[in-house]
Amino acid sequence: AQTVTQSQPEMSVQEAETVTLSCTYDTSESDYYLFWYKQPPSRQMILVIRQEAYKQQNATENRFSVNFQKAAKSFSLKISDSQLGDAAMYFCAYRSSMEYGNKLVFGAGTILRVKS
Amino acid sequence: DGGITQSPKYLFRKEGQNVTLSCEQNLNHDAMYWYRQDPGQGLRLIYYSQIVNDFQKGDIAEGYSVSREKKESFPLTVTSAQKNPTAFYLCASSIGQIRQETQYFGPGTRLLVL
Repeated sequence: AQTVTQSQPEMSVQEAETVTLSCTYDTSESDYYLFWYKQPPSRQMILVIRQEAYKQQNATENRFSVNFQKAAKSFSLKISDSQLGDAAMYFCAYRSSMEYGNKLVFGAGTILRVKS
Repeated sequence: DGGITQSPKYLFRKEGQNVTLSCEQNLNHDAMYWYRQDPGQGLRLIYYSQIVNDFQKGDIAEGYSVSREKKESFPLTVTSAQKNPTAFYLCASSIGQIRQETQYFGPGTRLLVL
């Protein structure tokens, strides 16, 4: 079974600075998808960014980008020019492309605090 | 507005009581999911359904039941057999068996035991 590990329970960043959240995963598959979700205090889960394993190019969405290292099974999220609204719990998630059901496997999450 | 709605926002359960959490979507998505979130943990899958009148157990299905009689609705019942039901419950939906699909989440229901 696949597992997702987020080794940083909490991170802090100064407003306007850059922060990187770590995620590693374990799988024997070669084709899969990786996601970062954000959960603000409202607890609504919001998709931040998505990466397809067959694509070598790292995904980017505005101030959010990933560093996808397939051989190392690493999928870190970089947030540039951090804003107060970025404060939230961030979850890394894995989805197999082969298993029936397209289920997501989540890491335990990283709390991001943004200091003004 | 297209989206996923969950009700109620807060739900209280007495010992030995079954309670039902509602999840409705108007996104015309085929697949729907139920996750449980406990403090300090990520989301864990309870049940999922890829199509009407069909559903499968996830990783922590014991003490829960679901139905999928309509495409837009996927209610979750927390039965008295679930001994530790206090948690935050999230419903999600996605297009279905299509490559690059993404799951979208509802606002969640907090269940508390009296």
